[in-house]
Amino acid sequence: NAGVTQTPKFQVLKTGQSMTLQCAQDMNHNSMYWYRQDPGMGLRLIYYSASEGTTDKGEVPNGYNVSRLNKREFSLRLESAAPSQTSVYFCASSEEEDKGYEQYFGPGTRLTVT
Amino acid sequence: AQTVTQSQPEMSVQEAETVTLSCTYDTSESNYYLFWYKQPPSRQMILVIRQEAYKQQNATENRFSVNFQKAAKSFSLKISDSQLGDTAMYFCAFMNGSNFGNEKLTFGTGTRLTIIP
Repeated sequence: NAGVTQTPKFQVLKTGQSMTLQCAQDMNHNSMYWYRQDPGMGLRLIYYSASEGTTDKGEVPNGYNVSRLNKREFSLRLESAAPSQTSVYFCASSEEEDKGYEQYFGPGTRLTVT
Repeated sequence: AQTVTQSQPEMSVQEAETVTLSCTYDTSESNYYLFWYKQPPSRQMILVIRQEAYKQQNATENRFSVNFQKAAKSFSLKISDSQLGDTAMYFCAFMNGSNFGNEKLTFGTGTRLTIIP
């Protein structure tokens, strides 16, 4: 049982390059999330997916797209990276109400855009 | 929209002492959940404790307990007998329990806690 896995762990991009961050969970959760963490800002929600086939914008969606490929996988894509997207990115999935909605987080991806 | 405020950016305490981290939130919802997450230097986010708003009894998990004051919209975390492994960033988080399929978390800005040997 690996929980939530993310790849890559580190990435450096040049402005304008694109990349996809991969996330997978093996806990059979319906809901999955992408957050970004910036110094002094806490974690902010980028996109979330309540179930396979559905996605919705969070607090800071501009510059990102997501795909809920299946129940296990939820990817985040940067089409044209900008220095403002330098951040640590976390994927998470959550339990249902009967287990108190606990969210499980991946180890994070540190992205630097130069 | 909900907001979560952690007014203590940094705190430090001697090992074995007790420390309390503050959190206030703003919401018009009546059904919600509150969480404390710990982020050690490894960067991994770990759930420390959870409180359902409809429960009057304060949650406890071993050395961790909360003081949930619903009317004051306050949710503080108390760590008793602090240990070196408690050194971490601590985030308070809010979840609206009324939106089925939308269990997203709103986080505070965090408190960096250092346990001094």
